[in-house]
Amino acid sequence: GAVVSQHPSWVICKSGTSVKIECRSLDFQATTMFWYRQFPKKSLMLMATSNEGSKATYEQGVEKDKFLINHASLTLSTLTVTSAHPEDSSFYICSARDATGTSGPPSYEQYFGPGTRLTVT
Amino acid sequence: ELKVEQNPLFLSMQEGKNYTIYCNYSTTSDRLYWYRQDPGKSLESLFVLLSNGAVKQEGRLMASLDTKARLSTLHITAAVHDLSATYFCASTGTASKLTFGTGTRLQVTL
Repeated sequence: GAVVSQHPSWVICKSGTSVKIECRSLDFQATTMFWYRQFPKKSLMLMATSNEGSKATYEQGVEKDKFLINHASLTLSTLTVTSAHPEDSSFYICSARDATGTSGPPSYEQYFGPGTRLTVT
Repeated sequence: ELKVEQNPLFLSMQEGKNYTIYCNYSTTSDRLYWYRQDPGKSLESLFVLLSNGAVKQEGRLMASLDTKARLSTLHITAAVHDLSATYFCASTGTASKLTFGTGTRLQVTL
């Protein structure tokens, strides 16, 4: 149980284009999802908290107009990198907080997706 | 602002040896997590520690939490090559979002 998927697992796009990354909780509902970014050999940095049915909360220094987040349902959040540039190349990881439980009460723990590697050329 | 620090950043150890990774956090925390990350992969959850004095063990790894010292440790016993990975601790502070430590890259050599 508690499986989170991301799509695509990797993507290469040209500079100036936009790319959308999906994060899905497969067997539980997640009112809250988190988006992280990880540069090579670095730690994970929280970019934003995605709340179902409301606007995302962005961390300081993260451009909300560049990284568009939509959390339209209890199982899906999307991150769109708009007008991508080479410096946006990174490993993007989402997590989803279990608010319903796969069997039994919800754990409220975060479960991580497999990540999406974005390369902007 | 919650800060989480790990040391060492890099650890090269021989198979069969023991070692400890340290994780310090700056403010009161509800929960402390340990994760493993293999190259090119996402995070694998290892432990969640909820209270002072909590100790959890899985195989050759044992994690403990001292909330008064704001310190968690991950102890490796008789390391084997399969344990080579990067290990992260993370804390929630008093909020719901995770703050990650810098990570410790562990390399176990023969």
